[in-house]
Amino acid sequence: DGGITQSPKYLFRKEGQNVTLSCEQNLNHDAMYWYRQDPGQGLRLIYYSQIVNDFQKGDIAEGYSVSREKKESFPLTVTSAQKNPTAFYLCASSIRQLNNEQFFGPGTRLTVL
Amino acid sequence: AQSVTQPDIHITVSEGASLELRCNYSYGATPYLFWYVQSPGQGLQLLLKYFSGDTLVQGIKGFEAEFKRSQSSFNLRKPSVHWSDAAEYFCAVGGLTGGGNKLTFGTGTQLKVEL
Repeated sequence: DGGITQSPKYLFRKEGQNVTLSCEQNLNHDAMYWYRQDPGQGLRLIYYSQIVNDFQKGDIAEGYSVSREKKESFPLTVTSAQKNPTAFYLCASSIRQLNNEQFFGPGTRLTVL
Repeated sequence: AQSVTQPDIHITVSEGASLELRCNYSYGATPYLFWYVQSPGQGLQLLLKYFSGDTLVQGIKGFEAEFKRSQSSFNLRKPSVHWSDAAEYFCAVGGLTGGGNKLTFGTGTQLKVEL
């Protein structure tokens, strides 16, 4: 089955540690996205990538980093510079320039202790 | 800049009653509009989308939405709500702009269904 996989489902880290969230898709989509979701704030775009080896900052990129070495994979690193990293993180993908329809993974809940 | 407003944070309806969730958008060109649904702790599932053509669009699970350009609205409706419809609903806007395939989401409406 085609889809988007995010792992792990739940992640716990100590304050000051970097952590990497995984996102893999087998939909052959060109574009991939990372969103952060907090209660009452909807989805906010962190980073997005429209093609391999290229990515752009979204609205809240500070304290995060990404890479796009393979079409299928778009890992997100939450660095120690992110002041409030505890949140629900969603990965999505789309066919580039196809009317913006995005398909979402199941999400990773990150808790920083 | 594009934006989406969902004025209702929470809505409670009785099972079997009709439902309308409001969405207003701001976009400088012809918008692409979407409604997504999210169950607790899950990802988002696409309910329906509008790109062009007929302004009344049908989606999954018996939902429909109507695009009204003059009111900049894209309200979601369902004639008879089921208890399983309880979830959070997000409206989103995007389009073919220089910003690429980006969507802007509203803050969501939490739907509670009373039995």
